[in-house]
Amino acid sequence: NAGVTQTPKFQVLKTGQSMTLQCAQDMNHNSMYWYRQDPGMGLRLIYYSASEGTTDKGEVPNGYNVSRLNKREFSLRLESAAPSQTSVYFCASTRRGTYEQYFGPGTRLTVT
Amino acid sequence: AQTVTQSQPEMSVQEAETVTLSCTYDTSESNYYLFWYKQPPSRQMILVIRQEAYKQQNATENRFSVNFQKAAKSFSLKISDSQLGDTAMYFCAFMKSISNFGNEKLTFGTGTRLTIIP
Repeated sequence: NAGVTQTPKFQVLKTGQSMTLQCAQDMNHNSMYWYRQDPGMGLRLIYYSASEGTTDKGEVPNGYNVSRLNKREFSLRLESAAPSQTSVYFCASTRRGTYEQYFGPGTRLTVT
Repeated sequence: AQTVTQSQPEMSVQEAETVTLSCTYDTSESNYYLFWYKQPPSRQMILVIRQEAYKQQNATENRFSVNFQKAAKSFSLKISDSQLGDTAMYFCAFMKSISNFGNEKLTFGTGTRLTIIP
């Protein structure tokens, strides 16, 4: 099992460019999450998906869109990147009704 | 809304000593879960220990134990016989409850950077 995988690991964008961060899990988990980690801020929830076909906003959703393509995959899209979106992005998944979230290795995104 | 506060941005301790990391939280919920996550330089988030609020007994995992004070809303992590591999960022986190709706969101503190000195 690969667990939770994220691509890419690193990305540099110019202001205004768009990109999609990919996340996939092979643990047959129902719920998936996107967090961002900024220095001194801990991790903050951007969006989550309780099941295939459903998505909900978290604490900091502005500037992002998500797609739950199927049970395995949950992507995060930046339509017009801004320097304030420079961060490390983590995807996580969990089986419904359980507490443990499994995290991917993270994507370091820099917007110049 | 829940908040989690870690008041120690950085700590350091000699190898083999004991260190305690502090965490306080604010919630109006009666049933919830608390966690400590470790993030080494590799950036991977690793679950260290968890505590269910309805359990009075403090959780223990090998060298890691917690002091859970529900009335005071305090949840500290004690690391005994610290090792060089314990060097990492440590995050305290809160989960409101486990449901069958798939909305088990985590609220994190800002982290404590722990350095173990050889």
